[in-house]
Amino acid sequence: SAVISQKPSRDICQRGTSLTIQCQVDSQVTMMFWYRQQPGQSLTLIATANQGSEATYESGFVIDKFPISRPNLTFSTLTVSNMSPEDSSIYLCSVEWQGPGEQFFGPGTRLTVL
Amino acid sequence: AQSVTQLDSQVPVFEEAPVELRCNYSSSVSVYLFWYVQYPNQGLQLLLKYLSGSTLVKGINGFEAEFNKSQTSFHLRKPSVHISDTAEYFCAVSERGYQKVTFGIGTKLQVIP
Repeated sequence: SAVISQKPSRDICQRGTSLTIQCQVDSQVTMMFWYRQQPGQSLTLIATANQGSEATYESGFVIDKFPISRPNLTFSTLTVSNMSPEDSSIYLCSVEWQGPGEQFFGPGTRLTVL
Repeated sequence: AQSVTQLDSQVPVFEEAPVELRCNYSSSVSVYLFWYVQYPNQGLQLLLKYLSGSTLVKGINGFEAEFNKSQTSFHLRKPSVHISDTAEYFCAVSERGYQKVTFGIGTKLQVIP
């Protein structure tokens, strides 16, 4: 199995600021994913991040708002830019592991925007 | 496009009673199906998966699920629940040949002592 850590585990931020979330994996993986889990809703895929290429964003998510870096096979960051209260959510990173669709998830970052 | 429906947002059940959490999916192609569990203040972890072969799949902690292609369902079952099964359960689908996984809205299982 893969061990995934995320930093920070939670944060409270002011409107208009930005927060960068880090995701570290203890194994080299090709594909990493970033999800958002809003209260009472399911996980929504923000983007897929492959090392050495630009992240692929899902409909409704744009690079200017959620820039992603993937500098190597064990690390990725997601930045939530120019935050508003609507960005309050849990942000999760995951990696594809062993088989198609099978993912390991990090513990999540709980973000509150005031 | 694929989609997942979990009809029950919350399911209360007494300890040692059986439970079934329902999941239906929609897809125009063959799919892989998954159940993930999220314990309080933890990340999601894979409970079980259906890729091919036997339609009855067994997972961790005594859970099992049955793939029914004609009804496009993948219901999760456990014959006797424990307090420690209290968690949120997510059904998920992935179309063969694509990496994207679509999750259902989740079902909160509350086991009552």
